[in-house]
Amino acid sequence: DIQMTQSPSSLSASVGDRVTITCRASQDIYIYLAWFQQKPGKAPRSLIYAASSLQSGVPSKFSGSGSGTDFTLTISSLQPEDFATYYCQQYNTYPFTFGPGTKVDI
Amino acid sequence: QVQLVESGGGVVQPGRSLRLSCAASGFIFSDYGMHWVRQAPGKGLEWVAFISYDESNKYYADSVKGRFTISRDNSKNTLYVQMNSLRGEDTAIYYCAKDSLRIAAGGDIDYWGQGTLVTVSS
Repeated sequence: DIQMTQSPSSLSASVGDRVTITCRASQDIYIYLAWFQQKPGKAPRSLIYAASSLQSGVPSKFSGSGSGTDFTLTISSLQPEDFATYYCQQYNTYPFTFGPGTKVDI
Repeated sequence: QVQLVESGGGVVQPGRSLRLSCAASGFIFSDYGMHWVRQAPGKGLEWVAFISYDESNKYYADSVKGRFTISRDNSKNTLYVQMNSLRGEDTAIYYCAKDSLRIAAGGDIDYWGQGTLVTVSS
């Protein structure tokens, strides 16, 4: 199975900060990488697919990049509603696997 | 708009069975693959299973292979997962999720349900 890692596991930031989260796959997954946001007590929300494409309705302050084994999610200017846990997921090979998550708090 | 509504969760004893359902609306259900994803209390997301739009392809996480069976009824716009030989580590919120690719063998998830809680305990 493909292992996904994320760094950092948590970070503290302020409103207006630029935040970058890294995701790494244990083998080449090309661009088959998605990012999800989850707030406490809520279902996940899909943000990005194919490493860098925004899902419908996702604001452009979110951006993704990378290919192969190394990927990043960037939030350009953190807002109060962005404080959440972020997960990456590879969908190149079954079984699909998620990273352990990165918690972004104040 | 896409809606996914899970049901069937509850408390079940170890070793027993449970079937979850997910009622879908707002899209052509028979054109899209579907996933189950779970989240144990206080833990991260774990992908569980996928079924293609026509049931020709089914895939499972190693942790549930041989115990869980994913299925669908396209005439009822409903996704299922039959969970047998349940264990304490199967305790989780179970989410159904829609695949983004039409008539395909699986891709990224674009929509999620709100989840249903399964608790395995004696």
